[in-house]
Amino acid sequence: GAVVSQHPSWVICKSGTSVKIECRSLDFQATTMFWYRQFPKQSLMLMATSNEGSKATYEQGVEKDKFLINHASLTLSTLTVTSAHPEDSSFYICSAPRSTRDTQYFGPGTRLTVL
Amino acid sequence: AQKVTQAQTEISVVEKEDVTLDCVYETRDTTYYLFWYKQPPSGELVFLIRRNSFDEQNEISGRYSWNFQKSTSSFNFTITASQVVDSAVYFCALSENLYNFNKFYFGSGTKLNVKP
Repeated sequence: GAVVSQHPSWVICKSGTSVKIECRSLDFQATTMFWYRQFPKQSLMLMATSNEGSKATYEQGVEKDKFLINHASLTLSTLTVTSAHPEDSSFYICSAPRSTRDTQYFGPGTRLTVL
Repeated sequence: AQKVTQAQTEISVVEKEDVTLDCVYETRDTTYYLFWYKQPPSGELVFLIRRNSFDEQNEISGRYSWNFQKSTSSFNFTITASQVVDSAVYFCALSENLYNFNKFYFGSGTKLNVKP
C-alpha cells in the first residue's frame, strides 16, 4: 500500500490565492522530504528539499518566498504556493525515503490548476 | 548539462512486440544509483528498479529486463511481449553519492503506447 500520501489530490484556485499541499509519510518518520514539480508532458524537476527542524533547501531558480515549505513534524511536510498564478499550474509530487539509503517513495501527486 | 537523457520521446508498438527504452546518464561520481519509474495516466509514480553503480548485472523481472552498461553510461529497459497495460510514461532517474542519495535527477521520460 501507499507509504506516502498527499492532500489534496487536486485543487483549483483563483489567481492570487495561496494553496497548501500536504505530504505525509504514513508508517515511517522522514527527516527529509522532497518536492518536485511536473509540467504537462514534461519531466519531474526537483524544487526543494524539506528538512525537519531546519529550513528547506531550494534548487536554483525556485523562489523560496513563493513556494513556502514547512516540515512541521517527522511525518509531515507542507508546500504552500503563495499568490498563485496560472503559470504555477502543475503536478506537484513529494517523496520521502524510509532511511538514508532506502528507495525513495513518491506520493500520488497533487494537480494544481490556477484560474 | 543534463544528467539523464532519454532520447526517445514517444514510442508506439503493437501488443506482444518487444520494446527497449533507452537511458543515458552522466555523472562524475563513482557511487551512484539508477532508477526506472512508470507513470500511468493517473500520475502516480510506480517504482520499477534501483541499481547501484557497483552492480552491473543485468536484471530480469517477469517481462521486464534492464541492461546496465557503465562503459556506455547506459541503463536501458526492455519490455518483452508488451501489453496494453504497459502504456505509460517511463522515467529513468539518477541519484549521486551516498550522502545525497535521495536527490533525484529525472530524464525527460519516454511515452510508450502499446496498441492492441
